[in-house]
Amino acid sequence: DIQMTQSPSTLSASVGDTVTITCRASQSIGRWLAWYQQKPGRAPKVLISQASTLEVGVPSRFSGSGSGTDFTLTIYSLQPDDFATYYCQQYSSYWTFGQGTKLEIK
Amino acid sequence: QEQLVESGGGVVQPGGSLRLSCAASGFTFSTYDMQWVRQAPGKGLEWVTFIRNDGGNLHHIESVRGRFTISRDNSKNILYLQMNSLRVDDTAVYYCAKWRGYPGAFDVWGQGTLVAVSS
Repeated sequence: DIQMTQSPSTLSASVGDTVTITCRASQSIGRWLAWYQQKPGRAPKVLISQASTLEVGVPSRFSGSGSGTDFTLTIYSLQPDDFATYYCQQYSSYWTFGQGTKLEIK
Repeated sequence: QEQLVESGGGVVQPGGSLRLSCAASGFTFSTYDMQWVRQAPGKGLEWVTFIRNDGGNLHHIESVRGRFTISRDNSKNILYLQMNSLRVDDTAVYYCAKWRGYPGAFDVWGQGTLVAVSS
C-alpha cells in the first residue's frame, strides 16, 4: 500500500501570508495526486488534480507542484476563507489520503 | 447540478448492521465509478471501497474485508454500502464520492451520514 505523509499537521498563519504544505508518498506516484480542502462539518472539495492542475473556480492563489514522491501545495496571500484542513490524495494505486494539515489563524 | 445525497446512518450496537444509500442526480450515474470515504470523529479522511461503473471490479480496505459490501443500482441511480459486523472503530461520517476518471480526483461528494457504533 502507498502511504502519504503530510507536513506540518498544523500550520498557523495570518491573512496575507504565503504558506506551503508538503506531501510525501512512500513510493513514486508520478503526478497522480490531488489536493482537497475541507471545512468543519462539510464534505471535502477538490482544489487540484494531477499535482498541479487547478480545478475550475479555484482561486489562482492556490498552486500545486511536484512529481514522483514529493509534492507541495502553496497558498499565496492567504484569505480568511482559506483557513481549513487540507488533504493530499494519491491515486496511482487505489486511493490514499494524507493525514491532513489544519491551517489556522495565528 | 451534480449531487449526491447519503442516507441510512444512525446508532448501532457492535456486531450490528446498517445499509447506507447514496442517491445521485445531475449526471449520468451509470458511466462513473463510485467510492465510499469515511472520517472518524476528529480524524482524517480514509478511502473505504470502490465500485466500477458497471458494478464490477470492487476494491476495499483490508479492515472492512468480509464485512462491508459496496453495490449499485444504475436503474435507480443509487449507490449502497452494506455494513455488517460493525465495530466501534467503524464509527465515522461516511461520504459517497464520484470518481471523475482522468485527470483524477473525487469531484462530487455527498454531505455525509454519521454511523455511530456504540453499546
